Amino acid sequence: DSGVTQTPKHLITATGQRVTLRCSPRSGDLSVYWYQQSLDQGLQFLIQYYNGEERAKGNILERFSAQQFPDLHSELNLSSLELGDSALYFCASSVGRQAVNTGELFFGEGSRLTVL
Amino acid sequence: GENVEQHPSTLSVQEGDSAVIKCTYSDSASNYFPWYKQELGKRPQLIIDIRSNVGEKKDQRIAVTLNKTAKHFSLHITETQPEDSAVYFCAASKILGTGNQFYFGTGTSLTVIP
Repeated sequence: DSGVTQTPKHLITATGQRVTLRCSPRSGDLSVYWYQQSLDQGLQFLIQYYNGEERAKGNILERFSAQQFPDLHSELNLSSLELGDSALYFCASSVGRQAVNTGELFFGEGSRLTVL
Repeated sequence: GENVEQHPSTLSVQEGDSAVIKCTYSDSASNYFPWYKQELGKRPQLIIDIRSNVGEKKDQRIAVTLNKTAKHFSLHITETQPEDSAVYFCAASKILGTGNQFYFGTGTSLTVIP
């Protein structure tokens, strides 16, 4: 168990719909990352937050948005869904508030989104 | 920005043989190089990492080497076993005070044939 919690684990929805994926980082971790992994593909970096602020942006579509809340949990919103958005979405966290910054990235179990 | 290239994309070895996966990076400021193993349908998990002030690190059957001058690092798995079959991702990272940045390679699918 990495300590990173993602919900829901599975989600099936239709094209044109909107969904929200939720992530709770490891206790005390300040940085949250979102990755998209399509079938047999690599880890596509979407966006990173650090202590509530957007820190870096990757190949995130305009239909997607995210935020990190004061309690450090994060949400990824996907709207106007298309078939190609079907993927495994991973959240990861890093950088403990009090601990030495070891650099390690801890992944959640992922949210599998299927768009029909 | 950083660019990480990973080779090969697929690798098949006989059980007991060694496997080597290579990555190159472009940003000399990267100072942390982790390797992640991802089994089918599971989350990536850290298996070994190395910092820029170290040339080699070993943990039982796995080892990582880093050549800062050439900007490349490699994962070596010896005495491979069927349970080593997975996708392996390398990454180059900058450890920063305001949130580390990670750049992943495209992954290597390793199959160990019993």
